[in-house]
Amino acid sequence: GAVVSQHPSWVICKSGTSVKIECRSLDFQATTMFWYRQFPKQSLMLMATSNEGSKATYEQGVEKDKFLINHASLTLSTLTVTSAHPEDSSFYICSASGPRFGYTFGSGTRLTVV
Amino acid sequence: AQTVTQSQPEMSVQEAETVTLSCTYDTSESDYYLFWYKQPPSRQMILVIRQEAYKQQNATENRFSVNFQKAAKSFSLKISDSQLGDAAMYFCACMDSNYQLIWGAGTKLIIKP
Repeated sequence: GAVVSQHPSWVICKSGTSVKIECRSLDFQATTMFWYRQFPKQSLMLMATSNEGSKATYEQGVEKDKFLINHASLTLSTLTVTSAHPEDSSFYICSASGPRFGYTFGSGTRLTVV
Repeated sequence: AQTVTQSQPEMSVQEAETVTLSCTYDTSESDYYLFWYKQPPSRQMILVIRQEAYKQQNATENRFSVNFQKAAKSFSLKISDSQLGDAAMYFCACMDSNYQLIWGAGTKLIIKP
């Protein structure tokens, strides 16, 4: 079945630094990638939607200059948290949508900013 | 705006018994998809079952089945013969016109041995 590989699974970074999270679709072409943030014991909150080769569409309240999304190919999308601060600590999940219609999720990245 | 409501923050069931998780949704779309996802402690989102709104027949996947009531906009998940491995957060979701998923708040399912 369709697999999305998300790396890293967890990362600790210092306040003010940037962190990049990668999501790769391994056996299908992901025309659309969704990026979510999930707080403990809460549901998924959509941050942005990206389509291959075009700019990402951010949800209201999400700072696009802080959360940079790149979807340069049909198999790779990245989320860069720039100038991270402790309040950016969270669980980030990507989800790819492919031509056969379905949503496949990465395993998530736990980000801790200290 | 589309909404998905899961009114049960937590449910518990005895192992081997049957449990039903509730979900209601609101959409103006005529054709749409509904999903149930499972999120175990590993936090990996796992598709449990999917229902296409134009299909009247309720979807079934082994021990998991849905009761899809389109007019009532209800999409409940029934888990039969509950197993310890079923313990997880369960999220109901509806696809919107932009192919985004609108998520419910989730139901924590506890399996009692």
